[in-house]
Amino acid sequence: SYVLTQPPSVSVAPGQTARMTCGGNNIGRKSVHWYQQKPGQAPVLVVYDDYDRPSGIPERIAGSNSGNTATLTISRVEAGDEADYYCQVWDTTSDHLLFGGGTKLTVL
Amino acid sequence: EVQLVESGGGLVEPGRSLRLTCAASGFTFDDYAMHWVRQTPGKGLEWVSGISWNSGGLGYADSVKGRFTISRDNAKNSLYLQMNSLRPEDTALYYCAKDSRNNSWYFLDSWGQGTLVTVSS
Repeated sequence: SYVLTQPPSVSVAPGQTARMTCGGNNIGRKSVHWYQQKPGQAPVLVVYDDYDRPSGIPERIAGSNSGNTATLTISRVEAGDEADYYCQVWDTTSDHLLFGGGTKLTVL
Repeated sequence: EVQLVESGGGLVEPGRSLRLTCAASGFTFDDYAMHWVRQTPGKGLEWVSGISWNSGGLGYADSVKGRFTISRDNAKNSLYLQMNSLRPEDTALYYCAKDSRNNSWYFLDSWGQGTLVTVSS
């Protein structure tokens, strides 16, 4: 079955750029979506279709997808960006929604 | 504004049953597929089940197939999850989520706040 692999944690200083990866076999051929989950809150969609942003999501948050890796990039990181980030795809083979294990972004 | 409100969670003994309900408002409910996603405390997200707009398409994670049943009542703007033969590993916060599509799974653009299910003797 298809597997999405995310690093457990990423740390970055305020004002710097955070890059969080999501690995999968030929993931570049799939549409990847990203969710942000702050402590005690429900997940929120921040990127869909690899790089599109829902209304209200700042341009500092950007997505890309190619080859075997999708990436969520947050520029000019702020304390409020500290959260868990999950990638997600629709696996058409199994007809399941799949989530990566999540990456905890820590703002130093 | 989209609102999804889950209810029905609680403490239940292993082997027993529980039925979760999600009340939806703020959008045309029967235009979209809906899902249940769960999260074990301190852990990641796990897709549990999905249902298309007209209940013609159903999907289940392998971990719950044969034990859980998803359903919806479009007249009542409600989504359900019937959970039978519950196991301790089903303990989790269960989220109701709205899909962006009506007849297949894609991405989840709105989520409820979740209802906690605890399976323990």
